[in-house]
Amino acid sequence: AQSVAQPEDQVNVAEGNPLTVKCTYSVSGNPYLFWYVQYPNRGLQFLLKYITGDNLVKGSYGFEAEFNKSQTSFHLKKPSALVSDSALYFCAVRDPSNTGNQFYFGTGTSLTVIP
Amino acid sequence: DGGITQSPKYLFRKEGQNVTLSCEQNLNHDAMYWYRQDPGQGLRLIYYSQIVNDFQKGDIAEGYSVSREKKESFPLTVTSAQKNPTAFYLCASRIPGANVLTFGAGSRLTVL
Repeated sequence: AQSVAQPEDQVNVAEGNPLTVKCTYSVSGNPYLFWYVQYPNRGLQFLLKYITGDNLVKGSYGFEAEFNKSQTSFHLKKPSALVSDSALYFCAVRDPSNTGNQFYFGTGTSLTVIP
Repeated sequence: DGGITQSPKYLFRKEGQNVTLSCEQNLNHDAMYWYRQDPGQGLRLIYYSQIVNDFQKGDIAEGYSVSREKKESFPLTVTSAQKNPTAFYLCASRIPGANVLTFGAGSRLTVL
């Protein structure tokens, strides 16, 4: 079974400080991993993905994420948080060996950047 | 501009009424998805379709129905059999072989 866990419902960070939003996954094969961001009453926007290759992937708006196979994690990071980064963040996984073409999402982490 | 249009944005209905949410895309994507979002539960897959005239149930299909008569359109009907239909509904699409979902802005359904 495929699943994604986001252990923190809420993360608060001061503006200018580094931020981390955690994600762990469970898939039977090699995972495809994603981060999306959602602003209030809007759809999700793609931030970045890991398919293969370099474990550190860079995405939109200065975000990056590190794939760690031994820890089955894909934490989202940013060196210096902005107030405008405040939003709901979702981690997602897809098992490419599964022909169902399904993407599984975590429960989301609400990020608040405090001015 | 290419994108996904969901309508209506807000919808209020009485219990026992069927409701149809529209999802239209002009991205020429083959695959389309419907997700339900509830606070604290993330996104859960209702139905998805990989090609016209074909669709599969997701994890929470009970009480919902879909059709895929045209590539551009994937409407979702919330039937009276859905026990707790109040939620935010998101439609998404993607190109086969691509691994990025494009989402619409969502439809918020409130059943009174």
